[in-house]
Amino acid sequence: GAGVSQSPSNKVTEKGKDVELRCDPISGHTALYWYRQSLGQGLEFLIYFQGNSAPDKSGLPSDRFSAERTGGSVSTLTIQRTQQEDSAVYLCASSLMGQGVGEKLFFGSGTQLSVL
Amino acid sequence: GENVEQHPSTLSVQEGDSAVIKCTYSDSASNYFPWYKQELGKRPQLIIDIRSNVGEKKDQRIAVTLNKTAKHFSLHITETQPEDSAVYFCAASSTSGGGADGLTFGKGTHLIIQP
Repeated sequence: GAGVSQSPSNKVTEKGKDVELRCDPISGHTALYWYRQSLGQGLEFLIYFQGNSAPDKSGLPSDRFSAERTGGSVSTLTIQRTQQEDSAVYLCASSLMGQGVGEKLFFGSGTQLSVL
Repeated sequence: GENVEQHPSTLSVQEGDSAVIKCTYSDSASNYFPWYKQELGKRPQLIIDIRSNVGEKKDQRIAVTLNKTAKHFSLHITETQPEDSAVYFCAASSTSGGGADGLTFGKGTHLIIQP
């Protein structure tokens, strides 16, 4: 595609429910990142995929958060048993090569998650 | 790990004036410093970056300066225009390793251009 695509753009859920957020990176980009942006906060790193390597999960805030990337392309971020503090914009980004290169990140438009 | 501090959190300037946003970093191994601009409701986009082998880089009305000794870098926007209104994020990265390209972001500066 022309850019990084995320869906849904908005998600409203009830506390305790599970949610899945999807990211479709730019074709050919080997690196994929998930960030969380809370109101008035910066971009908080969550997880990073690079090719077929094991993902860097060091930013996941709790074991309720998980992500996978199938076939080196589409990624899904899953939040189980959502809490109100999970409300934020979840941004996905991709880059051509990834780690160790200092590359430009291409961001998606994000998913605005609201937990009631 | 890396810690990036960004100031100010909000900056209001008159149209046509200059704006300066400053960031400091803690990891002396960091060698890549990008700036991202996020307009209201839109995705962050890279506007300029600098690597540690240079002290300054310009692109039309924007410039970035880097002081490795003091571990700080700044974004300068001259002749500000209404379309410059956005949130600006600095970041620091060590290409020697680390997750997610070793990229750590500041908390952002909300730049407001007053007409």
